[in-house]
Amino acid sequence: SQQGEEDPQALSIQEGENATMNCSYKTSINNLQWYRQNSGRGLVHLILIRSNEREKHSGRLRVTLDTSKKSSSLLITASRAADTASYFCATSNSGNTPLVFGKGTRLSVIA
Amino acid sequence: DGGITQSPKYLFRKEGQNVTLSCEQNLNHDAMYWYRQDPGQGLRLIYYSQIVNDFQKGDIAEGYSVSREKKESFPLTVTSAQKNPTAFYLCASRPAGINEKLFFGSGTQLSVL
Repeated sequence: SQQGEEDPQALSIQEGENATMNCSYKTSINNLQWYRQNSGRGLVHLILIRSNEREKHSGRLRVTLDTSKKSSSLLITASRAADTASYFCATSNSGNTPLVFGKGTRLSVIA
Repeated sequence: DGGITQSPKYLFRKEGQNVTLSCEQNLNHDAMYWYRQDPGQGLRLIYYSQIVNDFQKGDIAEGYSVSREKKESFPLTVTSAQKNPTAFYLCASRPAGINEKLFFGSGTQLSVL
């Protein structure tokens, strides 16, 4: 079952602009994670935010979490062509249960 | 050099044939996972294992089988019962614990001849 739904499905921006992707989920969570996937490759973990956190930063990444709305957003500031990839949110609802992934947002950054 | 190794990178299956995808990790992780990814789609869980000699079905286990005889290894067999096996298969692992991230292999693209 797919828990997270990313929005938009695809996003195209110019280099230097900010990119915002959203993720909505259905059930209560322990944490929410964002991953990046380059075409034909495995996923790479970007950032994890716990259910008791509201905002987290890592370099050019900013993640917010609103548990009352069951939603999260990933902001990439000053985007670069190398940021072109698919971005997935994944949720964990308890203990060691497997992560459940959304369908992803395809980001294209045009130089 | 620590990480997860999936092999082969590309695999072709003839009708009626079983094929096995390899996944090996040297990260000393307890939990291992197999996901299937169809074009433009998210990841769907096939099987997972939290400990050696134990594994559980995910959302789409039909037509697949796994084993976990060693901590480092979690091979996936795509059986002839899986009628639509063409997809990108991803193996992942992580330590035991609630707030742990997944480490992924580089994937195997399986196609039907």
